[in-house]
Order: sequence, then C-alpha cells, then structure tokens
Amino acid sequence: KAGVTQTPRYLIKTRGQQVTLSCSPISGHRSVSWYQQTPGQGLQFLFEYFSETQRNKGNFPGRFSGRQFSNSRSEMNVSTLELGDSALYLCASSPGTSGSHEQFFGPGTRLTVL
Amino acid sequence: AQSVTQPDIHITVSEGASLELRCNYSYGATPYLFWYVQSPGQGLQLLLKYFSGDTLVQGIKGFEAEFKRSQSSFNLRKPSVHWSDAAEYFCAVGSGGSYIPTFGRGTSLIVHP
Repeated sequence: KAGVTQTPRYLIKTRGQQVTLSCSPISGHRSVSWYQQTPGQGLQFLFEYFSETQRNKGNFPGRFSGRQFSNSRSEMNVSTLELGDSALYLCASSPGTSGSHEQFFGPGTRLTVL
Repeated sequence: AQSVTQPDIHITVSEGASLELRCNYSYGATPYLFWYVQSPGQGLQLLLKYFSGDTLVQGIKGFEAEFKRSQSSFNLRKPSVHWSDAAEYFCAVGSGGSYIPTFGRGTSLIVHP
C-alpha cells in the first residue's frame, strides 16, 4: 500500500496570506489527523476528521480549519498567516475504528511565513 | 486526561553503546503506548506499540520497550546503537476512548562515532 502523502512538501508565504495543505491517507483509512510541529512547542494536535466529519479538535484558533472529502483525502487551511505559523505540518492517517489507534504519518509540509 | 513525559531532551551515546530512552505516562486505565522515530525533515515512523499482553515489546530496527505499570513507564531500549539511529524519538499514549494519542516532547538522540 502506498503511504500517506502530503503536498506540497515546502511552502513559503507572507504574513496575511492564506494557505491550503493537502493530505492523502493510506487506502482504506478513514481518519486523518493534522499536527503542527515546532521546535518550541513540539507536536501539537490540530484536528481529526473521520468520514468527512471533524471528530476531534485541538486548541488552535479559528484561522486553522480543515475538511475531508468522500475519498478520505483531507485539506487543511490557514488564513491570515502569522509568523508563528511557520512549522512542519504533519498529517497522519489511521483506520479510525475501535482498536486501531496506530497512526501513520506523512512526510510533512514545511511552511515558512515571512 | 492522559499525558506523557520524556524527561531527557537530548541523549548522547557512542556508536555501539546501549541506549535507554525514558517515557512516563499518566493515564488511569491500561493505555495504548507507542514509540515513534523522526529523522530530520521527515514524518514520524512507528517503532513499536503496546496494546496488551506481553509487557516486553519488540519493534523494528532492533528496538524494544518494556511496559511497567507500577512505574507508569514505557522505556525504549536498544543494545547497540548505530550512527543511523541518530534522530528524534517520541513516546505517545492513547486510550480506548480517544483515537488521538498524546505525544511527549521528544528526545533527540546524538550518536558519536
């Protein structure tokens, strides 16, 4: 099976712009989670989508949003970018059902905000 | 709420030496426990996991971890470290009620030749 893919791998934006990141999960996985990773804060959970519905949400402002499509692919959007949004954004997929707590991670999207 | 503590931010070992990375968790019931490794610029790769059963778990790349309920620990070990093991290691804990694991802050492993 192909692994989790994320596009783009690298992105440079300026403050105030918005950005959309994409994640394609492993075939058959219905859960997609997003994380923000920074040197200062470590891995922070953004949100999780399961069957096109947001099932869990972390403690991030409303500028961070996401969605999931019927094929389980997910997008994450950040509006009005701030310098502090510079980070590695990781996507992880899992079957999302009872007993399947293991997450499979993509390579990440490195976002730089100037 | 569940939580994970990785007390060591950095660990330095010589190639060929043994390794133990510490992980302590806080959770009321039997947790799901994971160790992930992250190489620079990459995503996280699962090394091993504990759900139930034998408390000594074998993983990939020669790693193992032992679940000790009395100490709320899940330490990662490797008998002989290779230079390619230099990376960031994350311990994570999950519960039956949540599909989202909680990650520790990570331990950076430096391997000297």
